[in-house]
Amino acid sequence: KAGVTQTPRYLIKTRGQQVTLSCSPISGHRSVSWYQQTPGQGLQFLFEYFSETQRNKGNFPGRFSGRQFSNSRSEMNVSTLELGDSALYLCASKLQGTDTQYFGPGTRLTVL
Amino acid sequence: AQSVAQPEDQVNVAEGNPLTVKCTYSVSGNPYLFWYVQYPNRGLQFLLKYITGDNLVKGSYGFEAEFNKSQTSFHLKKPSALVSDSALYFCAVREYSSASKIIFGSGTRLSIRP
Repeated sequence: KAGVTQTPRYLIKTRGQQVTLSCSPISGHRSVSWYQQTPGQGLQFLFEYFSETQRNKGNFPGRFSGRQFSNSRSEMNVSTLELGDSALYLCASKLQGTDTQYFGPGTRLTVL
Repeated sequence: AQSVAQPEDQVNVAEGNPLTVKCTYSVSGNPYLFWYVQYPNRGLQFLLKYITGDNLVKGSYGFEAEFNKSQTSFHLKKPSALVSDSALYFCAVREYSSASKIIFGSGTRLSIRP
C-alpha cells in the first residue's frame, strides 16, 4: 500500500499571503490529522478530519483551517501568513477504530 | 491533561552498545503510549505502541519499550545500537478524549558513533 503523501514538499511564501497544503491518506484510512512541527514548540496537533467533518481542533488561531473531501484527501489552509508559521506541517492518517497514526513526509513551509 | 516528558535532549552511544531513550508520562485513565522516529527531512515513522498487556513491547527495527506503571515510564531500548539508528525519537501519548489527538514529547536526538 502506498503511504501518506503530501504536496508540495517545500513552499516559500511571504508574509500576508495564504497557502494550501494537500494530504492523501493511506487507502482505506478515513481519519486525517494535521500537526505543526517547529524547533521552539515541537510537534503540535492542529486538527483532525473524519468523513469530511472536523472532529477535533488544537489550539491554533482561526487563520488555520482545513477540509476533507469525499475521497478522504485533506487540505489545510493558512491565511495571512506570519513569520512564525514557518514550520514542517505533517499529515497523518489512521484506520477508524485503531490508535496508530501513519505520517507523511511533511511540507516544509518557509515564510519570508 | 495527558503529557509525556523526555528528559534528555541528546543521547550518545557507541555502535554495538545497548541504548535507552527515556520517557515518562502523566495521564488520566489508562495510558496509550507510542514511540516514533524521525530521520532528517522525513516524516515520523511509527516504532511501537503500548495499549495494554505485556509490559515489554517489541517494535520495528529491533526496538523495544518497557512500560513501568509504578515509575510512570515508557523507555525505548535496543540491545545493540547501529549507526543507522541515529535520528530524532519522540515519545507520545494519546489524548484521553480523542483517539486521533497525539501529544508528543520534546524529542531526543540519538547519535550512534562508529
